[in-house]
Amino acid sequence: ELKVEQNPLFLSMQEGKNYTIYCNYSTTSDRLYWYRQDPGKSLESLFVLLSNGAVKQEGRLMASLDTKARLSTLHITAAVHDLSATYFCAVPENPAGNMLTFGGGTRLMVKP
Amino acid sequence: DGGITQSPKYLFRKEGQNVTLSCEQNLNHDAMYWYRQDPGQGLRLIYYSQIVNDFQKGDIAEGYSVSREKKESFPLTVTSAQKNPTAFYLCASSQRGDLTGELFFGEGSRLTVL
Repeated sequence: ELKVEQNPLFLSMQEGKNYTIYCNYSTTSDRLYWYRQDPGKSLESLFVLLSNGAVKQEGRLMASLDTKARLSTLHITAAVHDLSATYFCAVPENPAGNMLTFGGGTRLMVKP
Repeated sequence: DGGITQSPKYLFRKEGQNVTLSCEQNLNHDAMYWYRQDPGQGLRLIYYSQIVNDFQKGDIAEGYSVSREKKESFPLTVTSAQKNPTAFYLCASSQRGDLTGELFFGEGSRLTVL
């Protein structure tokens, strides 16, 4: 059974600081997805990582994938309040399918 | 605009009642999914459908039923057998054969049992 674990589950940080969210998964996968969720809202796709060593950046967020270590990171650079949200990583249950197993989420709060 | 429409956004139900949540997509996607989210938790898969007239149980299918009579529609019925149905329900779709395998989500339906 695929397990996807994120840490930390909750992160409170000051504006301007850097931090990294980690996503570990238990079975082989060469795809991983990061989503953002604002309170009471749906999920918004942030990054699609499709191979070992993949790195993608959008603004102050950068995601990477190490399929050998079964680890993805979401790095936040110089955080701003607008980044406050819950971030989820998700991994396909099998290589050929699109059924995703989600991590428990990391709730990020950026304080002024 | 292409997208996924879920309705209603908010729904209140009395115990013992069945309710049906609607999910319609105009993205021409083959696959559709229903996820459940409890407060402060991740998403859990209820049912999915890869093609019309076919669907499979996910991790938490008990107390739920679905149908897939049309490509664009994948309604979810929450039956009285679901013991704790209060949750946020998210519908998603994806295109089979798409190398990215990306899921696109609707806006969600929040169900509260009174």
